[in-house]
Amino acid sequence: GAGVSQSPSNKVTEKGKDVELRCDPISGHTALYWYRQRLGQGLEFLIYFQGNSAPDKSGLPSDRFSAERTGESVSTLTIQRTQQEDSAVYLCASSFLGQPTDTQYFGPGTRLTVL
Amino acid sequence: AQSVTQLGSHVSVSEGALVLLRCNYSSSVPPYLFWYVQYPNQGLQLLLKYTSAATLVKGINGFEAEFKKSETSFHLTKPSAHMSDAAEYFCAIAKTDSNYQLIWGAGTKLIIKP
Repeated sequence: GAGVSQSPSNKVTEKGKDVELRCDPISGHTALYWYRQRLGQGLEFLIYFQGNSAPDKSGLPSDRFSAERTGESVSTLTIQRTQQEDSAVYLCASSFLGQPTDTQYFGPGTRLTVL
Repeated sequence: AQSVTQLGSHVSVSEGALVLLRCNYSSSVPPYLFWYVQYPNQGLQLLLKYTSAATLVKGINGFEAEFKKSETSFHLTKPSAHMSDAAEYFCAIAKTDSNYQLIWGAGTKLIIKP
């Protein structure tokens, strides 16, 4: 009965390196969301999955960002050639059906620091 | 387009005093509204949500919020603040025309004075 888990919890990388962030949603949840939270700001939507499909990638900031989901379960967010402005907490959430009234359950986040 | 505005990045109240955190929204369709709380070093968790049933919504830890269509508001209240309520509170609206992502306010940090 675990909640949403994310790994790593912290990631420090050098500018220009690629990073991969992982999210394990609650079992049986069909919808999965990635958000970014910059210091002192609200959450910024990145991408949404319904099953393994990503019908909306409009929030991805640039083509350096990509994400995939497999087996209607785990998702990975990849940031290529990281920049300092990518430093933020990346949050993953899942919900049962992806309906607007659904509660989204959040993971603890991955804190990314790009030096 | 839908949006959320939270008035006040920081709100400070004394322990035992009324807590009032303000949230106003903009939406051309009936909104679904949420309050989430983020305790220090913890993940976001749902406090309460409005899904077009009762306009007064009760949540966890003694919090409640009232949906007021005429004022486009969904303010969060608690009659008596406790030290453990110190956290950051986010108001959000569900986007209803595509992917049902949540659109977030900037957050209000609640500070409780002893």
